[in-house]
Amino acid sequence: RKEVEQDPGPFNVPEGATVAFNCTYSNSASQSFFWYRQDCRKEPKLLMSVYSSGNEDGRFTAQLNRASQYISLLIRDSKLSDSATYLCVVNKGRGDMRFGAGTRLTVKP
Amino acid sequence: GAVVSQHPSRVICKSGTSVKIECRSLDFQATTMFWYRQFPKQSLMLMATSNEGSKATYEQGVEKDKFLINHASLTLSTLTVTSAHPEDSSFYICSARALSGMNTEAFFGQGTRLTVV
Repeated sequence: RKEVEQDPGPFNVPEGATVAFNCTYSNSASQSFFWYRQDCRKEPKLLMSVYSSGNEDGRFTAQLNRASQYISLLIRDSKLSDSATYLCVVNKGRGDMRFGAGTRLTVKP
Repeated sequence: GAVVSQHPSRVICKSGTSVKIECRSLDFQATTMFWYRQFPKQSLMLMATSNEGSKATYEQGVEKDKFLINHASLTLSTLTVTSAHPEDSSFYICSARALSGMNTEAFFGQGTRLTVV
């Protein structure tokens, strides 16, 4: 079983749509969780951290369920510029980050 | 956020030659740096963990004699791909974690696209 699993997609949605990505992780001792965004041929960049209480940043909402070892990302009112690959990232500790395979999102006019 | 500089961003080399990739943390000290490899349409795969002043820890299946890692200072780690072959062509990215904070995010270099011909 992979350490971090994501639905690879692709998700093709129209502008303005709401889209949700899911992620599961296998190591229950994982310490912190993130969503990164990676544009084609570029390095990953932090989108947001994920907390058990849930957190929101503008159109983006992240949720963590430690009991189920499940992480989610919700994007509301999708923009063309949201098109990218979204990586679920789990910190096993001491900065050892493990990445999901990524979910590709394409937002169309 | 913190800045990690990776160099070169792109390199083409002949089969059998060696290539060195540098990863520098510009505005913070990084006790630990990580090296990843990403093949087209695949996830980033951790190759090795590099700790300043000690030997790197390699992931299973990664040849330590082929991928030489040196982390001589708190701001510099290097990855040398020795005797490169076409199958080593990939996108290599480093990341660094700040000296303080166990759960801080990782900061990534810009990546190096290696093509072996």
